[in-house]
Amino acid sequence: GDSVTQMEGPVTLSEEAFLTINCTYTATGYPSLFWYVQYPGEGLQLLLKATKADDKGSNKGFEATYRKETTSFHLEKGSVQVSDSAVYFCAPYLQGAQKLVFGQGTRLTINP
Amino acid sequence: DTGVSQDPRHKITKRGQNVTFRCDPISEHNRLYWYRQTLGQGPEFLTYFQNEAQLEKSRLLSDRFSAERPKGSFSTLEIQRTEQGDSAMYLCASSSQGAAGNTIYFGEGSWLTVV
Repeated sequence: GDSVTQMEGPVTLSEEAFLTINCTYTATGYPSLFWYVQYPGEGLQLLLKATKADDKGSNKGFEATYRKETTSFHLEKGSVQVSDSAVYFCAPYLQGAQKLVFGQGTRLTINP
Repeated sequence: DTGVSQDPRHKITKRGQNVTFRCDPISEHNRLYWYRQTLGQGPEFLTYFQNEAQLEKSRLLSDRFSAERPKGSFSTLEIQRTEQGDSAMYLCASSSQGAAGNTIYFGEGSWLTVV
């Protein structure tokens, strides 16, 4: 069935380190792909998206490229900040089912 | 555009009581979704509406759960005879059909604690 697999957390980095959070998905067709971020006690905020192969989504220094051949959408940031500490969710939007599918998320902690 | 609004943000109830959550989507968004999220897990799909029509319901939505969107604007999610296992955050989201990438915007969530 349709699913998403993210890098297991928690991930702990020092400030200004390079970040990669891996995401691969299984879905029929070509879903739109999203990254959401969730801060403690809050809902999900859209971070970035890509709607077709080779598209690159970017926002707030984060980037992710839609790789159809590897069914991946890895999240990257060149220099993380303490304020980036949160849980990150990769989610394909299934066109047929008309919904987002989430994995367990990756908890990121940035130490000063 | 004030975003997706949910009420109440927090609810503590005794087991067996009924609770109702309200969601006001982004204006003119015709799709509205409900998800449930337990601690340490990702959100799980419960149901979604297109205008006033409820088009899909997850198996997670037992017969104690009912969702409505009577006029195609706000929605309510009612849980009857609550159980401790219902403790979770209930997330509402909305989108505009046909919008680029079908971007779904989430509210801040409604926390339910059943004691």
